[in-house]
Amino acid sequence: ETGVTQSPTHLIKTRGQQVTLRCSSQSGHNTVSWYQQALGQGPQFIFQYYREEENGRGNFPPRFSGLQFPNYSSELNVNALELDDSALYLCASGAEDEQYFGPGTRLTVT
Amino acid sequence: GQQLNQSPQSMFIQEGEDVSMNCTSSSIFNTWLWYKQDPGEGPVLLIALYKAGELTSNGRLTAQFGTTRKDSFLNISASIPSDVGIYFCAGYYNTNAGKSTFGDGTTLTVKP
Repeated sequence: ETGVTQSPTHLIKTRGQQVTLRCSSQSGHNTVSWYQQALGQGPQFIFQYYREEENGRGNFPPRFSGLQFPNYSSELNVNALELDDSALYLCASGAEDEQYFGPGTRLTVT
Repeated sequence: GQQLNQSPQSMFIQEGEDVSMNCTSSSIFNTWLWYKQDPGEGPVLLIALYKAGELTSNGRLTAQFGTTRKDSFLNISASIPSDVGIYFCAGYYNTNAGKSTFGDGTTLTVKP
């Protein structure tokens, strides 16, 4: 039990639609990172938020965006969904040398 | 960008056997991490390594941070059925675990 929760658990969307995934971090964790995990692969870093500002981004296009709120919750938004966006999306909260993962949201794009 | 090559991709072993898996990187890291992921869950940290040459144990698990800072290995001794899962190596260069680079995992199956 990491204290990090994500919603929804599963989601099915159609190509071209937009999606919002949510994460609730542990109290006191001032960073939240989002990762995309395609089937059979390791998690890939999308971006990180620190004190509500983006603090680094991986190799993902601008249609992937995020928000972090003062109440330790955060969102990942993906616009213009593509079939290749089908994956498990993980959020991880923490501080510096620690990060704790949530269980993920499984997104399927048809 | 940084790439982590993790091997083997999968392992099928008998309960009680020892397991060894490793990870190599195209770049140096300041920190190596080993995670385990069970179905329907996020990765859970097993061991963190912070210094080149460091050898760290966590129960039956032992991991080492390679002296070149570009590799690491994980050993599991006397495997048991609950060791089944996917093991990931990860690394990061600065003091920010939230920007880790992950390998593609080693899937471990343990036969009773």
